[in-house]
Amino acid sequence: DAGVTQSPTHLIKTRGQQVTLRCSPISGHKSVSWYQQVLGQGPQFIFQYYEKEERGRGNFPDRFSARQFPNYSSELNVNALLLGDSALYLCASSEYPGLKQYFGPGTRLTVT
Amino acid sequence: GQQLNQSPQSMFIQEGEDVSMNCTSSSIFNTWLWYKQEPGEGPVLLIALYKAGELTSNGRLTAQFGITRKDSFLNISASIPSDVGIYFCAGQLNTGNQFYFGTGTSLTVIP
Repeated sequence: DAGVTQSPTHLIKTRGQQVTLRCSPISGHKSVSWYQQVLGQGPQFIFQYYEKEERGRGNFPDRFSARQFPNYSSELNVNALLLGDSALYLCASSEYPGLKQYFGPGTRLTVT
Repeated sequence: GQQLNQSPQSMFIQEGEDVSMNCTSSSIFNTWLWYKQEPGEGPVLLIALYKAGELTSNGRLTAQFGITRKDSFLNISASIPSDVGIYFCAGQLNTGNQFYFGTGTSLTVIP
């Protein structure tokens, strides 16, 4: 079975631009979580979605938003990009919120 | 946010040696997960723990859920070069579904 997939793999954007990252969960998993991982640190929680509804939100500004689709895939949007948004963005899926999570390979975002 | 402290921060060991690392917090957690991450990749789930005192193995890896519920431990026996990577713990509080990640332990295995 396919694991969690994310696209694109790498992305280079300019300050002030907007970006959309995509995630497809493991088949049968209904919950998706998004994390930001800055070099040298552990992943930081951004959002959790279940059945298209937001179930949790981390300490990130309103420039960050996300949504989940009926097929349980998800998108993370970041507006008005800042240099500090450069990071590895990870998507994790689980059968239900709170259960063990499986991560995708991540999207490496570089903001110049 | 919750602070999960992992120690040691880094380890350099000879192939064949055993490894021990831990994760501690000031808060009580109801689930602990252990992940391994290699450069440029996403974290890979190694072990999940759900009960205080629980001891679970996955091959050469063994993890324990601390009885205080504020800590967890990971041991790797007979290390091999492919064990190289950064090991993260992640904990979940009673009050929500969010997982908080530790600061990571970087493991280097010298052949």
